[in-house]
Amino acid sequence: KAGVTQTPRYLIKTRGQQVTLSCSPISGHRSVSWYQQTPGQGLQFLFEYFSETQRNKGNFPGRFSGRQFSNSRSEMNVSTLELGDSALYLCASSPGQVDSPLHFGNGTRLTVT
Amino acid sequence: AQSVSQHNHHVILSEAASLELGCNYSYGGTVNLFWYVQYPGQHLQLLLKYFSGDPLVKGIKGFEAEFIKSKFSFNLRKPSVQWSDTAEYFCAVPADYKLSFGAGTTVTVRA
Repeated sequence: KAGVTQTPRYLIKTRGQQVTLSCSPISGHRSVSWYQQTPGQGLQFLFEYFSETQRNKGNFPGRFSGRQFSNSRSEMNVSTLELGDSALYLCASSPGQVDSPLHFGNGTRLTVT
Repeated sequence: AQSVSQHNHHVILSEAASLELGCNYSYGGTVNLFWYVQYPGQHLQLLLKYFSGDPLVKGIKGFEAEFIKSKFSFNLRKPSVQWSDTAEYFCAVPADYKLSFGAGTTVTVRA
């Protein structure tokens, strides 16, 4: 069974630009979550989608948005990039129960210069 | 909101030493708990999970954890570590369709 696939693996952007990250979940998983990982803040929850509906959202500014498509694939967008957005962005999928363990991808390393 | 805390930030051990990492949770009711591991350059992987039942949970790669309700703890243990156990370990609690992670413990095993 293929794991969670995130593209691209690495991104370098300039302040003020926007970026879109992509995630393909494990086949059959209908829930996709996004997390930001930084050395200072650790793993922070961004949002979770199930069947194209956002069920929960973390405490991030509105510049961070996401969506899920009918095939469960998900995208995350960050607009007006700031230096502090440099991080590893992790996508995770699960069948969708409230306490399901999550299966993580390798992440997208975003560097903002 | 449910949360977990990990008090050990960095642990350095020699091979064959025993490992115990602390995790405390905040919620007094029914709680599910996970331990995840992130090996260098790899994705986060589930080590073990506690949902209910036997408080001693066995996971992959020889790891186990004990749920002690009276102490609000879910400590991770391994009797004898190997160099390949060098990684970052995260305790996590699920709630409201998200995982709340502890700050993580970096474990360095010296050969």
